[in-house]
Amino acid sequence: ETGVTQTPRHLVMGMTNKKSLKCEQHLGHNAMYWYKQSAKKPLELMFVYSLEERVENNSVPSRFSPECPNSSHLFLHLHTLQPEDSALYLCASSQSTGTGSEKLFFGSGTQLSVL
Amino acid sequence: GQNIDQPTEMTATEGAIVQINCTYQTSGFNGLFWYQQHAGEAPTFLSYNVLDGLEEKGRFSSFLSRSKGYRYLLLKELQMKDSASYLCAGMDSNYQLIWGAGTKLIIKP
Repeated sequence: ETGVTQTPRHLVMGMTNKKSLKCEQHLGHNAMYWYKQSAKKPLELMFVYSLEERVENNSVPSRFSPECPNSSHLFLHLHTLQPEDSALYLCASSQSTGTGSEKLFFGSGTQLSVL
Repeated sequence: GQNIDQPTEMTATEGAIVQINCTYQTSGFNGLFWYQQHAGEAPTFLSYNVLDGLEEKGRFSSFLSRSKGYRYLLLKELQMKDSASYLCAGMDSNYQLIWGAGTKLIIKP
């Protein structure tokens, strides 16, 4: 089983729908992240959780709501999204946060299309 | 502001060598990362440099010069499977990662 698993791989939703993205890591890491990846743009960090506590929220609109019930699972709840929210949403984990050499382990992402 | 610059796209021939440059401007410096991302797949870690010099890992090498704010990834003996996007990321003084937009590398036979 891969280290970081994301579901679903693809999601199409209308602007009035509510959906959730799921991420699970099997690496025993203490930190988990949500990133947004748009074509030809740098990765945008959305949220960071360390030991199930949110440690960073980069001015993300409230229509995105993260949830981290334990150190292995991370959710991103979506509601009343806009077409410009269409992107690849990547989950990542690392052993910890705040150290220089900490490398990230990414999931394959959820390709989201908002109609 | 903080910024990472890398070319948008590069093309190279199978068996050849290619150098992907990355220049950075970050507040403080705690190292640079390279990640590889094949289309539709997860980015995967390639290298981390915090000291000046060249580090080699098989066909891939990464070079850092902090004084010049300059870094590159060198890929030798290119294979078709090396076709991917290569993401450069710098870590600032607050241990925040600043990402480049990625370089799409196209390998031709």
